Amino acid sequence: SQKIEQNSEALNIQEGKTATLTCNYTNYSPAYLQWYRQDPGRGPVFLLLIRENEKEKRKERLKVTFDTTLKQSLFHITASQPADSATYLCARLGGATNKLIFGTGTLLAVQP
Amino acid sequence: DAGITQSPRHKVTETGTPVTLRCHQTENHRYMYWYRQDPGHGLRLIHYSYGVKDTDKGEVSDGYSVSRSKTEDFLLTLESATSSQTSVYFCAISPSSGGSNQPQHFGDGTRLSIL
Repeated sequence: SQKIEQNSEALNIQEGKTATLTCNYTNYSPAYLQWYRQDPGRGPVFLLLIRENEKEKRKERLKVTFDTTLKQSLFHITASQPADSATYLCARLGGATNKLIFGTGTLLAVQP
Repeated sequence: DAGITQSPRHKVTETGTPVTLRCHQTENHRYMYWYRQDPGHGLRLIHYSYGVKDTDKGEVSDGYSVSRSKTEDFLLTLESATSSQTSVYFCAISPSSGGSNQPQHFGDGTRLSIL
């Protein structure tokens, strides 16, 4: 079955550095991957969607890549700020219902 | 922000009691979803709806039922709550076009504790 995996360990980085988060998937490549941000006590907020044939997508300080050979998506935040501290989730279609399935998320902590 | 309201935001109840959670949207989106989020499991789909009175099961539907009598409201019911259903429940919506790959917009969740 399709799975999606994110590093469960928190990522701690210094302000101003680039944060890189990893999302790995199994089985066939999905047509799309989605990335969300979740703050404590809040629902996830959609950030970016990348299609299989796009390889890279950018939005302001955010960049997402899609590598079908490695079965991996990387999520980058450049010039990170303490306000970027949150949990970041990736998602793909999969499972028995062919609906979105989410990774467990990676907690990013940006230190001032 | 997408207009999604979940109620209640917090609830504590006892094992064996019925519980109903409500999701209300003002976006007129066709699709509505109920998820639960637990440590180590991430978001898991319980049930979803693709229109009024059209619902289907997700991956963790046992012990839950749903109803959608109006476009704007999607109810999740635990007929007889168990401690394993203690969780944070999120409602999400997505528009009618594009199908399952459309981005979803989430409410802020209901924290449910079953003692």
